[in-house]
This record gives sequence, structure tokens and C-alpha cells, in this order.
Amino acid sequence: DIQMTQSPSSLSASVGDRVTITCRASQSISAYLNWYQQKPGKAPKVLIYSASNLYSGVPSRFSGSGSGTDFTLTINSLQPEDFATYYCQQSNRTPYTFGQGTKLEIK
Amino acid sequence: QVQLVQSGAEVKKPGASVKISCKASGYTFTRYGITWLRQAPGQGLEWVGWISPLNGNTNYAPKFQGRLSMTTDTPASTAYMELRSLTSDDMAIYFCARDYYGSGNYYFEIWGQGTLLTVSS
Repeated sequence: DIQMTQSPSSLSASVGDRVTITCRASQSISAYLNWYQQKPGKAPKVLIYSASNLYSGVPSRFSGSGSGTDFTLTINSLQPEDFATYYCQQSNRTPYTFGQGTKLEIK
Repeated sequence: QVQLVQSGAEVKKPGASVKISCKASGYTFTRYGITWLRQAPGQGLEWVGWISPLNGNTNYAPKFQGRLSMTTDTPASTAYMELRSLTSDDMAIYFCARDYYGSGNYYFEIWGQGTLLTVSS
């Protein structure tokens, strides 16, 4: 299985900050990398697909980059509704696997 | 609107089986795959498997082989996941999700609300 490792596992930030979350794959996955946001008690929502494509309706302050094994999710100008847990997911091959999650908390 | 509505919470004893449903609405059911995922309490997300409502093809995560079945009822636009020989390790929220496939990439576009499975004697 392809292992996905996110860092950091948790992050404290303030409204208006810029934050970056990193995701590393155990082998090359080209650009087959998606990012999801999950709030407590809710299902995840897709934010970014194919490493850098913003899903419809997602605010432009979210962006993704990377290819191969190293990827980043960046959130510019954090808003109160952005405090949540973020997961990366590889879709290069099954079984599709997720990172362990990054919990973004309010400082 | 496009939505997936899952069946309600389940409580099962160890060794039992569970069958969870996922009813789709707002789109043509056979046009998109359905993926099942799970999330143990306080844990991350785990891919369980996938089914094509068009032809019934399935792809299961190896760890579930032999005790997992995914089926669909196309006229009812409903997907089912059955998991057998339950243990406490299977306690989780189970989600169904509609796939999107484009440019060689899959992602999970529309999610059900989740079904909590409790396994306890």
C-alpha cells in the first residue's frame, strides 16, 4: 500500500494567517492527490483534486501544489470556518489511502 | 439536488453481519461509481472498496477480502455494503461517496452523512 504522511498533525493559527500543510507519499503518485476538509460530526468535503485543481465552490484562498511524492495545501487568510481537519488522499492505485490528518485549531 | 442518504446507526454483536444502504438521488445512478469508506472513532479515513452501479464490478481493499460484499439495486438507486464476522475493530462511521473520475484521477465528490456501526457484546 502507498503510505501517506501529513505534517504537522496539528496546527494552531489565527484568523488571517497563511498556513501550509504538507503531504508526502511513500512512492511517486504523479498528481493523483486530493485534499479534503472535515468538520466534527460531518462527512469530509473535497477541496482540491489532482494536486492543484480547486473543486467547484471552494474559496480561492485554498490552493494545492506538488507532484511525485511531495504535496502542499495552502490556505491564505484563514477564516473562522476553515478550522477543521484536513486529509490528503492518493488515487494513484488501490487501496486508496489517506494521510493521518492535520487538525487546524484556532490560536 | 445530488445527495446520498445512508441508513441509520447499527449495533451488532461480535461475529454478526451488518448491511448498510446508501440511496442516491438527483443524478443518474449508473453514471458514477460508489465508494465506501470508514472512520474509526477519533481516527482517520480508510478506503473500504468500490462498486460500479453500471455493471456491478467491485474492488475491495485486501484487508476486507472474504468478508465484504458490495451490491447495488439500480431501480432503487441504492448501494449496499455488507460486512461479515464483525469485531470491535470494525466499529466506525461508514460513509458512502460518489466518485468523480476525470483526467485519470478519482476523488470522492459527494458523501453520505455516515452510518455509525457499534460492535459490542
